[in-house]
Amino acid sequence: DIQMTQSPSSLSASIRDKVTITCRASQSINTYLNWYQQRPGKAPKLLIYAASSLQSGVPSRFSGSGSGTDFTLTISSLQPEDFATYYCQQSYSIPLFGPGTKVDVK
Amino acid sequence: QVQLQESGPGLVKPSETLSLTCAVSGGSINNYYWSWIRQPPGKGLEWIGYISYSGSTNYNPSLKSRVTMSVDMSKNQFSLKLRSATAADTAVYYCARDKSVARSFMGWFDPWGQGTLVTVSS
Repeated sequence: DIQMTQSPSSLSASIRDKVTITCRASQSINTYLNWYQQRPGKAPKLLIYAASSLQSGVPSRFSGSGSGTDFTLTISSLQPEDFATYYCQQSYSIPLFGPGTKVDVK
Repeated sequence: QVQLQESGPGLVKPSETLSLTCAVSGGSINNYYWSWIRQPPGKGLEWIGYISYSGSTNYNPSLKSRVTMSVDMSKNQFSLKLRSATAADTAVYYCARDKSVARSFMGWFDPWGQGTLVTVSS
């Protein structure tokens, strides 16, 4: 079975900071990797699909990269509404989400 | 735009069947794959399975023996049944659509319903 890990599990950042979150798969998943943002009490929201494609309506400060086993979500300039938990999810086989990375205020 | 709304009992007794429905508005259930995803309180996300507009299904192996999904085209909704519920099934249950019309399941979940909390307790 494919396992997904994320690092860090949490981070503290300030407005306008550049934030980078890493997701790793236990075996190659090509570019079958998606990223979601979840604010407290809300449903997850798709940000990036197929590793690097920006979902319609998502601000361009969000970007994704990677292939194979290693992937990155980057927020180029953190905004107040970006404090949330971020999940990666592989869609190579049975959909599986990573454990999440919580981004909070420094 | 398409909106999804989960409904069903918020409290289920242990060993009973958890039943939820997802109503789709602002668009047709046709030509898409529809999933159920759950999140135990304070924990991560678990995909339960999908059903297509034509009724084909695929379930998470960890839950496959207890899950049944169905679709009702006339009501533009789909449903989840999880048998033999235990406390471990306590979670917020979300329904979600595959992002794009496709010939196969892509696993890109958008949009999502707001979620409904189901507690399994006597």
